[in-house]
Amino acid sequence: GDSVTQMEGPVTLSEEAFLTINCTYTATGYPSLFWYVQYPGEGLQLLLKATKADDKGSNKGFEATYRKETTSFHLEKGSVQVSDSAVYFCALKNPNTGNQFYFGTGTSLTVIP
Amino acid sequence: DSGVTQTPKHLITATGQRVTLRCSPRSGDLSVYWYQQSLDQGLQFLIQYYNGEERAKGNILERFSAQQFPDLHSELNLSSLELGDSALYFCASSVSGGPYEQYFGPGTRLTVT
Repeated sequence: GDSVTQMEGPVTLSEEAFLTINCTYTATGYPSLFWYVQYPGEGLQLLLKATKADDKGSNKGFEATYRKETTSFHLEKGSVQVSDSAVYFCALKNPNTGNQFYFGTGTSLTVIP
Repeated sequence: DSGVTQTPKHLITATGQRVTLRCSPRSGDLSVYWYQQSLDQGLQFLIQYYNGEERAKGNILERFSAQQFPDLHSELNLSSLELGDSALYFCASSVSGGPYEQYFGPGTRLTVT
């Protein structure tokens, strides 16, 4: 069945460091891919999305490219800030399976000054 | 503000009791999803409704049930509560078809004592 696998955390980085959070997926057909962010004490918010192969989603300095050949959607940011400390979830939505959403387990990021 | 509302924000109850969590989706969204988030289990999909009908079931216990009403709000009923049911419960809504993302509510924090 469909699934999403994220790199395990927690991840701790210094401010202005480069961030990569790996995400790979298993799905038939052509799912849409998403990154959500959860700040402490809050619900999940959409960070970015990509709906077809080679699409790049971007928002707030974060980017992720939909790579069908490697079934990946890695999240990157060139220079993290303390305010980026949060839990990041990779997710997919597959029209082949009734548009159900599948979430990864989440990766906790802490950025230290 | 995602446009998804959940009540109550916090709930404290005793083992063996029954509670009802309520969710109102974003205007125009026909799909409602329920998730449980606990420290040891991560984000677990429970159940999805679309326009009043159950669409998909995840890891929902038999003690839990849900429904979506004609005005599209949804309720999640949790009965015979156990200590392990203590968690954050999120509702999300979405336009069902197409590559559209989910919008999450702020969550209900349930504490079972």
